[in-house]
Amino acid sequence: QVQLVESGGGVVQPGGSLRLSCAASGFTFSGYGMHWVRQAPGKGLEWVALIRYNGNDKYYADSVKGRFTISRDNSKNTLYLQINSLRGEDTAVYYCATGKKSGDNSHYFEFWGLGTLVTVSS
Amino acid sequence: QSVLTQPPSVSGAPGQRITISCTGSSSNIGAGYDVHWYEQLPGTAPKLLIYENSNRPSGVPDRFSGSKSGTSASLAITGLQAEDEGDYYCQSYDSSLSNWVFGGGTKLTVL
Repeated sequence: QVQLVESGGGVVQPGGSLRLSCAASGFTFSGYGMHWVRQAPGKGLEWVALIRYNGNDKYYADSVKGRFTISRDNSKNTLYLQINSLRGEDTAVYYCATGKKSGDNSHYFEFWGLGTLVTVSS
Repeated sequence: QSVLTQPPSVSGAPGQRITISCTGSSSNIGAGYDVHWYEQLPGTAPKLLIYENSNRPSGVPDRFSGSKSGTSASLAITGLQAEDEGDYYCQSYDSSLSNWVFGGGTKLTVL
């Protein structure tokens, strides 16, 4: 069965950096676009970034553009999110999710990990 | 302020039917982009509930159904059960923002 396991979260000071990882298993990782979605405490879901199946195309929400970098290693079945210049508003649970192509040529989020919590605090 | 608008809360008694609306605009739902729905039970990760407006993934009971018309979509739950309590989110794609977008979420309470 599909498993997505995020790691790398923790408490970091404003302006600091973290690298999140998402280990995938149970499906052909190299065949899927992968997303990061975050959820601030008590708030709704916010899409963060997408990387296409081959790593060639990457897309970001305006709120993280220039500070976050999504990447993947298909040989290790692992997705990454490098997050720099952290701000208080980046405090959230970060989920990785598989991007399944829908009929409109967009994506929906078929499988989700359990998430990893990033807390930005001095 | 979310791009897709959902009611903050809905409630119903066990066995009843409820609906949750999701209102967008001409750059997302009205542009023909599909609507998808996710269920997030307390303390858990989101789970895909409805995809491509009205399709249920394997394992999702037929008590859950979705529809889309114009710039809006709806999720209906019949035969409400206590274990349906949680948050429900709609999601689509917005061509003006070039972003995947979510509704603000609707908290379902089973009375």
